Amino acid sequence: QKEVEQNSGPLSVPEGAIASLNCTYSDRVSQSFFWYRQYSGKSPELIMSIYSNGDKEDGRFTAQLNKASQYVSLLIRDSQPSDSATYLCAVNLRGSNYKLTFGKGTLLTVNP
Amino acid sequence: DAGITQSPRHKVTETGTPVTLRCHQTENHRYMYWYRQDPGHGLRLIHYSYGVKDTDKGEVSDGYSVSRSKTEDFLLTLESATSSQTSVYFCAISESQVDGYTFGSGTRLTVV
Repeated sequence: QKEVEQNSGPLSVPEGAIASLNCTYSDRVSQSFFWYRQYSGKSPELIMSIYSNGDKEDGRFTAQLNKASQYVSLLIRDSQPSDSATYLCAVNLRGSNYKLTFGKGTLLTVNP
Repeated sequence: DAGITQSPRHKVTETGTPVTLRCHQTENHRYMYWYRQDPGHGLRLIHYSYGVKDTDKGEVSDGYSVSRSKTEDFLLTLESATSSQTSVYFCAISESQVDGYTFGSGTRLTVV
């Protein structure tokens, strides 16, 4: 079974809006959670990491983690066309011997 | 991508031939990984290494072997290439099991 789930999208938002990307995972013991951005034809780029419950902010990005609900999200404020990309959620699952398991990604399009 | 390079960037090969992809890092990180990325499947782990000469299988290891004789180099070999191995291959590195990964630029492999 797929252990890291993301809505594949596409998610379309207007420029300046907040984009909300969601991810659920199967293992309550997971310790590390990451968001990657991948532009078309490029490699994944790490943009956020979060290890404890709550919010973590970095510029226009906020990662939110709720371990009880097994849910991690990424908010992008003041979305820009340059944010248009696929966003990958990654979790180190105990069942994968703590190697990162990736979701299939959500395609985000920010319309000017 | 700083500190990690993959070669070749593109390769076309014939069915049944052996192929070796190279990943080279200058970060002295202990952990190295090979992933493949395919539409509809996302990133899937092929093999990984947790030290020189220490390697283990990932979720899609059939038809692939790896070697790590030096900290900086991790080689992926397709023993007898098949069309199903046409994919984009990414190498990644990490300093520890709880850190995020840094990805190389990828190798686009086509098996005809």
